Amino acid sequence: DAGITQSPRHKVTETGTPVTLRCHQTENHRYMYWYRQDPGHGLRLIHYSYGVKDTDKGEVSDGYSVSRSKTEDFLLTLESATSSQTSVYFCAISRQGGKNSPLHFGNGTRLTVT
Amino acid sequence: DQQVKQNSPSLSVQEGRISILNCDYTNSMFDYFLWYKKYPAEGPTFLISISSIKDKNEDGRFTVFLNKSAKHLSLHIVPSQPGDSAVYFCAASAPGERDDKIIFGKGTRLHILP
Repeated sequence: DAGITQSPRHKVTETGTPVTLRCHQTENHRYMYWYRQDPGHGLRLIHYSYGVKDTDKGEVSDGYSVSRSKTEDFLLTLESATSSQTSVYFCAISRQGGKNSPLHFGNGTRLTVT
Repeated sequence: DQQVKQNSPSLSVQEGRISILNCDYTNSMFDYFLWYKKYPAEGPTFLISISSIKDKNEDGRFTVFLNKSAKHLSLHIVPSQPGDSAVYFCAASAPGERDDKIIFGKGTRLHILP
C-alpha cells in the first residue's frame, strides 16, 4: 500500500452531518488524490493536491472540500453528507504526477450515509 | 460521455488459458494508458502501462496491446492463474495544465475458474 493509511476504514453517518476522511502518507510524495468508487462508475476523481495548500477540483467535486496543511496529510470533508455520497473513497499518491508516475492507492474508506 | 469504456462487466476464464480484457476510448488526446488491478477490500494497484507511441508492452504474463486507429487496447494474461481473479480497471491519461488527467473505466471483474 506504498505507505498510505486511510482513516477511518468504515464509517456510518446520518444525512446532514459533516464527515472528514483522512489520508496519511509516509512516502513524502508531492501529489495526492481523492477518488470515489461506485458500482457502474468505476473510479472518479474528487479533488487532488499538487502540494501543501495547493489543491484543485476533480470531475465530481460538488459537496466535497479538501485541505492539505502538511505534505503527509490530505483531508476530504463532506460538509453535509447526503445519501448520494455513500461510496468507497480511495486516497492515492504520486511521486511527481503525470503519466510516468503511476498512482499508489490506499485501501479505502467505506462510507455509508443513512 | 464515457471516455474510457470497458464494455464487459465480467469475464470468466479457465485456469491456464488466456484472459483478454478489452478497453475502448474516445478522446484522441489520450497519450498514455494504464491497467490497474483491484482485490476486494484493497485499493487498486498499478499493473502495466503503454505509451501511445507503442503498440505493445509486455511484463511477464501480462501484455498490453494498443490499436490507436481503432482507439482500442487490450490486456492479455497468459497463462491465467487463480490469483488473477480481481477487478481490472483500464485508465487513460491526457496532458493537463499542471498534471495529466487520468480517466478510469468502470472495470471488468475477472474470474479464473479451476
